[in-house]
Amino acid sequence: GENVEQHPSTLSVQEGDSAVIKCTYSDSASNYFPWYKQELGKGPQLIIDIRSNVGEKKDQRIAVTLNKTAKHFSLHITETQPEDSAVYFCAAIWGAQKLVFGQGTRLTINP
Amino acid sequence: EAGVVQSPRYKIIEKKQPVAFWCNPISGHNTLYWYRQNLGQGPELLIRYENEEAVDDSQLPKDRFSAERLKGVDSTLKIQPAELGDSAVYLCASSQTGGSAFFGQGTRLTVV
Repeated sequence: GENVEQHPSTLSVQEGDSAVIKCTYSDSASNYFPWYKQELGKGPQLIIDIRSNVGEKKDQRIAVTLNKTAKHFSLHITETQPEDSAVYFCAAIWGAQKLVFGQGTRLTINP
Repeated sequence: EAGVVQSPRYKIIEKKQPVAFWCNPISGHNTLYWYRQNLGQGPELLIRYENEEAVDDSQLPKDRFSAERLKGVDSTLKIQPAELGDSAVYLCASSQTGGSAFFGQGTRLTVV
């Protein structure tokens, strides 16, 4: 079945610096890759997504890149702020709408 | 537009007791998911519905877990009897077919 590997598991950056989280997936048929942010006590919140016909997508300080050949995709957060501190999950759609998640990255922004 | 609504937010029960969780998806979303999230881990799919049909329940422990989505709108997930290892956050999500999945706040279950 589909497997999504995410790293690092924890990431600490200074406020204003950039943060990068990387994921790899196993099923070359995967065609949709969302990223979720989860704050304590809340459900995952969709922050950005990318489809396999696009190599990069940007939304203000957040960007996602996709390398289909290598089966890698990454989340980039620039000019990080304290409110970016949360757990981030990558995911991949496998088969018909089966959403498989990575293990999560706990991001801490240090003031 | 209202998001995915789940209830209750928290539930504490003794082992061997039954428990049920309720989910109301976003209006117009025909795909509904139930996920379980253990502490420090990513969500894991339990069951996925397309309208009222369960199209993927391969990860649902069918000896004690059951789910239904009557009329293809809201859904109920039940555990009977609950075990200590069932303590987790149960998340419901919904999407349009091929669209992005949106999650509810989850139900935190503690089995004592």
